[in-house]
Amino acid sequence: DAGITQSPRYKITETGRQVTLMCHQTWSHSYMFWYRQDLGHGLRLIYYSAAADITDKGEVPDGYVVSRSKTENFPLTLESATRSQTSVYFCASSEQVGNQPQHFGDGTRLSIL
Amino acid sequence: GQQLNQSPQSMFIQEGEDVSMNCTSSSIFNTWLWYKQEPGEGPVLLIALYKAGELTSNGRLTAQFGITRKDSFLNISASIPSDVGIYFCAGQQGNTGKLIFGQGTTLQVKP
Repeated sequence: DAGITQSPRYKITETGRQVTLMCHQTWSHSYMFWYRQDLGHGLRLIYYSAAADITDKGEVPDGYVVSRSKTENFPLTLESATRSQTSVYFCASSEQVGNQPQHFGDGTRLSIL
Repeated sequence: GQQLNQSPQSMFIQEGEDVSMNCTSSSIFNTWLWYKQEPGEGPVLLIALYKAGELTSNGRLTAQFGITRKDSFLNISASIPSDVGIYFCAGQQGNTGKLIFGQGTTLQVKP
């Protein structure tokens, strides 16, 4: 039972660089989500996807791009990284909304210098 | 953005004591979830609540979905050192699947 995996676990990059965080789930869940976690803010939703080729903005989408060409993958791209995007990023998935909870990956710790 | 008010922010208790934490909001939710997060890991689901008034247990953990649908609490009985971590409440509105998280309660247990 591989579940949901994120890669890389740690990443250091420089401002202005493009960086992509990967998320892969083996449950064939329809819904996938990206959150960032910062001290004092808890977990905030960046983008989510209800199915392949369907994505929508969350609370803090600026500076991020997502795609969902396959059900099992939901990559998050920072097109031009800024220091304010230094954070821990979590991917989550759920089978459906309404009565199915979200399950989280172990996160990617991203530092932007 | 919309927030859940989770309290207390942190707790430092003696092993064996009971713990209570809660989340409140000015908005109605149709689902309440409680997660635990340990260092270097993602949040792990503890309890899910789907109906107003629902009371659900998971071992030493008990959570309730408030009647008004604007609050929820989590109790941990007879705490042990491995209960240490950050506990998050999360509420869901509508059918979008989007969750709103509380700020977290950091629990420390003294053996």
